[in-house]
Amino acid sequence: DTEVTQTPKHLVMGMTNKKSLKCEQHMGHRAMYWYKQKAKKPPELMFVYSYEKLSINESVPSRFSPECPNSSLLNLHLHALQPEDSALYLCASSGTSGRAVGNGELFFGEGSRLTVL
Amino acid sequence: AQSVSQHNHHVILSEAASLELGCNYSYGGTVNLFWYVQYPGQHLQLLLKYFSGDPLVKGIKGFEAEFIKSKFSFNLRKPSVQWSDTAEYFCAVGGYSTLTFGKGTMLLVSP
Repeated sequence: DTEVTQTPKHLVMGMTNKKSLKCEQHMGHRAMYWYKQKAKKPPELMFVYSYEKLSINESVPSRFSPECPNSSLLNLHLHALQPEDSALYLCASSGTSGRAVGNGELFFGEGSRLTVL
Repeated sequence: AQSVSQHNHHVILSEAASLELGCNYSYGGTVNLFWYVQYPGQHLQLLLKYFSGDPLVKGIKGFEAEFIKSKFSFNLRKPSVQWSDTAEYFCAVGGYSTLTFGKGTMLLVSP
């Protein structure tokens, strides 16, 4: 069982909707990540938060808005998405012993499967 | 910048056959290497990892990988595959703050 919890597991939304994906970890990790994975493709990095501050934004469109309310939570706010944004969105965390990021070892959640109609 | 190359996009094997999936990386710093597996419809799971020390790493479910620094390789092996090993396999290289994945290899094991 993964120690990174993502909700919801499935989400269907229209192009005018506003929704949010949520991620939670209680491993004391100080870095959290959003990845996007299309079918039969590798995960692609979207955002990295380190000590609750956005440290990497991989040129993601503004219709995706990340938020890190505290060290355990990571949200991804969705607005005005397009059908091509349909994918599996993976949250991950890393970083132990007080370091913001660890040695590249990420712990993944099960993902939120998003369908945009 | 770090990058990962996986040699085969699709591999088809019969049960009990031996498996070797190729992975080559490029990275200028201290390298941390990983193999992840994704079973159909499921999330990513860590198979094994290499940080330092013994270059032959053993993971879960009978998998192992060998880090060969001179060849920039980290190939995944299993002596005898099972039907349940059918999955997508991703090699990844870890830098300071990010994990970069290869394109993946889809393994299909026929019973």
